[in-house]
Amino acid sequence: QVQLVESGGGLVRPGGSLRLSCAASGFRFSEYYMSWMRQAPGKGLEWVSYISRSGSSTYYADSVKGRFTISRDSAQKSLYLEMNSLTDEDTAVYYCARETVTVGFEYWGQGTRVTVSS
Amino acid sequence: AIQMTQSPSSLSASVGDRVTITCRASQDIGNDLAWYQQKSGKAPRLLIYAASSLQSGVPSRFSGSGSGTDFALTISSLQPEDFATYYCLQHYLYPRTLGQGTKVEFK
Repeated sequence: QVQLVESGGGLVRPGGSLRLSCAASGFRFSEYYMSWMRQAPGKGLEWVSYISRSGSSTYYADSVKGRFTISRDSAQKSLYLEMNSLTDEDTAVYYCARETVTVGFEYWGQGTRVTVSS
Repeated sequence: AIQMTQSPSSLSASVGDRVTITCRASQDIGNDLAWYQQKSGKAPRLLIYAASSLQSGVPSRFSGSGSGTDFALTISSLQPEDFATYYCLQHYLYPRTLGQGTKVEFK
């Protein structure tokens, strides 16, 4: 069955960096678009970033553009999110999600928590 | 970016009630709209895709309607396990955008 497992979250100081990972299994990873979503404490869901199947095309929310970098490794069946210059507004649970054109985000991971605090 | 306006932000209902949540897009998105259910501390669960298609395994009391700019999620007879927060999401354009959520609470 499809599984997405995020890791790499934790406590980081403002201005710091963190790299999130998402391990995929149960499907042909290279055939799907992937995205990161997040949810700040007590808030709604926010789309963060997208990467194409080949990794050649990426999109970012304005709130993270220039600070976050999405990437993928098909051999490792993994998705990544490199986060730099973190602020307290980046505190959230981060989810990776598998996306298709017709369905949208069908599968989500369980999330990894990122806390930015001094 | 496409704005998704979801209403109401919260509602109180009883088991057996019919509940409708609406979502309006700031521009035509065709039927590229999905509905998600989220329970506290859990990842969102896809309920409806392509505006009105029921995701496999989702009870038939959930239904979606609409196209273009106006959409609705209806729960025909609310069950105890349906008390949760619901979100609409457009996947017509990037950035993907979501409604602010509707919390369905027990009356």
